[in-house]
Amino acid sequence: QVHLAESGGGVVQPGGSLRLSCAASGFNFRSYGMNWVRQAPGKGLEWLAFIRFDGSKNYYADSVKGRFTISRDNSENTLFLQMNSLRSEDTAVYYCAYDPLTVTSGLAYWGQGTLVIVSS
Amino acid sequence: DIQLTQSPSFLSASVGDRVTITCRASQSISHYLAWYQQKPGKAPELLIYAASTLQGGVPSRFSGSGSGTEFTLTISSLQPEDFTTYYCQQLSGYPLTFGGGTKVEIK
Repeated sequence: QVHLAESGGGVVQPGGSLRLSCAASGFNFRSYGMNWVRQAPGKGLEWLAFIRFDGSKNYYADSVKGRFTISRDNSENTLFLQMNSLRSEDTAVYYCAYDPLTVTSGLAYWGQGTLVIVSS
Repeated sequence: DIQLTQSPSFLSASVGDRVTITCRASQSISHYLAWYQQKPGKAPELLIYAASTLQGGVPSRFSGSGSGTEFTLTISSLQPEDFTTYYCQQLSGYPLTFGGGTKVEIK
């Protein structure tokens, strides 16, 4: 069955960097676009980024554009989120997710999330 | 960017009630809307996609309707496990966006 497992979260100082990973299994990872979504404590969901199945195109939310980079390694079935210039408002649980039908059908599969805390 | 406005933000209801949550888009998104349910401490779960298509395994008491800029999620008869938070999401164009959420509480 489909399994997505995020890792790499932790505590980082403002201005610092962190790289999140999402290990995928149970489906043909290299055939699907992937997303990152986050949720700040007590707040709603915020979509962050999408990468095409082959890595040829990325899209970002305005709030992270220029600071975060989504990438993937299809040989390792792994999705990444490189986060630079972190701010306190980036504190959140970060989820990877994907749509198994089309990129317009909805995110049917999610990981369990990894917590990032930006604090001095 | 396409903005989604969900209403109400909070809803008090009883077991067995019929409830409706509305999601309005700032511009037409055709039928590219999904609804999610999220329980505390858990990842969201997809309930409905393409505005009205029930995701596999989701109880039939959930239904969605709408197109263009106005959409609704209806729960025909609230069950105890339904008292949680719901989000809409537009998938018409990037950046994708979520509504602010609706928390359904026990009256």
